[in-house]
Amino acid sequence: GENVEQHPSTLSVQEGDSAVIKCTYSDSASNYFPWYKQELGKRPQLIIDIRSNVGEKKDQRIAVTLNKTAKHFSLHITETQPEDSAVYFCAAHNDYKLSFGAGTTVTVRA
Amino acid sequence: DAGVIQSPRHEVTEMGQEVTLRCKPISGHDYLFWYRQTMMRGLELLIYFNNNVPIDDSGMPEDRFSAKMPNASFSTLKIQPSEPRDSAVYFCASSFGHPNTEAFFGQGTRLTVV
Repeated sequence: GENVEQHPSTLSVQEGDSAVIKCTYSDSASNYFPWYKQELGKRPQLIIDIRSNVGEKKDQRIAVTLNKTAKHFSLHITETQPEDSAVYFCAAHNDYKLSFGAGTTVTVRA
Repeated sequence: DAGVIQSPRHEVTEMGQEVTLRCKPISGHDYLFWYRQTMMRGLELLIYFNNNVPIDDSGMPEDRFSAKMPNASFSTLKIQPSEPRDSAVYFCASSFGHPNTEAFFGQGTRLTVV
């Protein structure tokens, strides 16, 4: 089955700085890579996703990159704001199911 | 649409009791997923359905867990008998089309088994 590793487990950044979270996956058949944000006590919500035929995708302050050869993908958040503080999960999907990373707790310091 | 609706939001039960968690997916969605979230193990997929049919239940921890989807608008996850190690947040999620599309999560049910 798919194994997704996510690093770091915690990340503290100064407001306005960038945050980068990295994930690797094991199954070369995986073809869809979503990122979810989960605020304390709330549900995970999709913030951005990328498919295997795309190398990079941006949405305002958020970007995701994918390297299929190396089997890793990353989330980049620029100009971080206090509301970016949350747990972020990467995931990888093959034709059968979605496997999540362990999560990264991001804290944005004012 | 109100999104994926789960009930109850919180459940406290005694060890050995039966627990039933409920989920109403988004109307029109044909995939339904049950996840369990704990600090130790993160988000784990327990089972998923396509068009009400269970497709993969390999994540169900043991025979004490069972899930059903009698129709397109309702699913249950049952634990019988419950144990303290079942304490977790259980999420239901649904999606439309092929499974590699956005999954919309419910608010979750926080289960505590004492």
